[in-house]
Amino acid sequence: AQRVTQPEKLLSVFKGAPVELKCNYSYSGSPELFWYVQYSRQRLQLLLRHISRESIKGFTADLNKGETSFHLKKPFAQEEDSAMYYCALSGETSGSRLTFGEGTQLTVNP
Amino acid sequence: EAGVAQSPRYKIIEKRQSVAFWCNPISGHATLYWYQQILGQGPKLLIQFQNNGVVDDSQLPKDRFSAERLKGVDSTLKIQPAKLEDSAVYLCASSLNRGPWAGYTFGSGTRLTVV
Repeated sequence: AQRVTQPEKLLSVFKGAPVELKCNYSYSGSPELFWYVQYSRQRLQLLLRHISRESIKGFTADLNKGETSFHLKKPFAQEEDSAMYYCALSGETSGSRLTFGEGTQLTVNP
Repeated sequence: EAGVAQSPRYKIIEKRQSVAFWCNPISGHATLYWYQQILGQGPKLLIQFQNNGVVDDSQLPKDRFSAERLKGVDSTLKIQPAKLEDSAVYLCASSLNRGPWAGYTFGSGTRLTVV
């Protein structure tokens, strides 16, 4: 079975501070990992995916297979980063079905 | 590019009533998904279509939920009869390819309240 765990439901930081949103997963094969974001009153949208090894809006995430983690990081948080963040996983046995974590509400205070 | 359209945006019904949600995916997107998002939880896949065929409905409560995608375009999700625990946001998403690496585009969702 595949599972995604986001241990923090709420995370609050000050503007300019580093931020890390934690994501741990359970999957026996080779997973595809993603971060989705939902800003207030907007649709759920893809932020980044591990296979692209890209940085979007200053966010990066590295897949650590040894620790089965895919933490999302940004060195200097901005107020506009305040949103709900979901970590998601897809595996070769589940086709394109995404398994989402329960989400972390990030608040960046001025 | 127009996004994924869903209607209605909100729906309030009494338990044991029936309800239907509609989704129009992005033009040309062969794969369509319905997700259920209960308050405080992440989205959970209910059913996945590839064109007008069902690919995965393993998590769909088939005793009360049904979905169809006629002609491989629009889709409807129905609940009959509704229970209190069905209160959630129902999200529709579509993608070009079967793999999620092609990217899902989500609709705005339908918020269902069962009273």
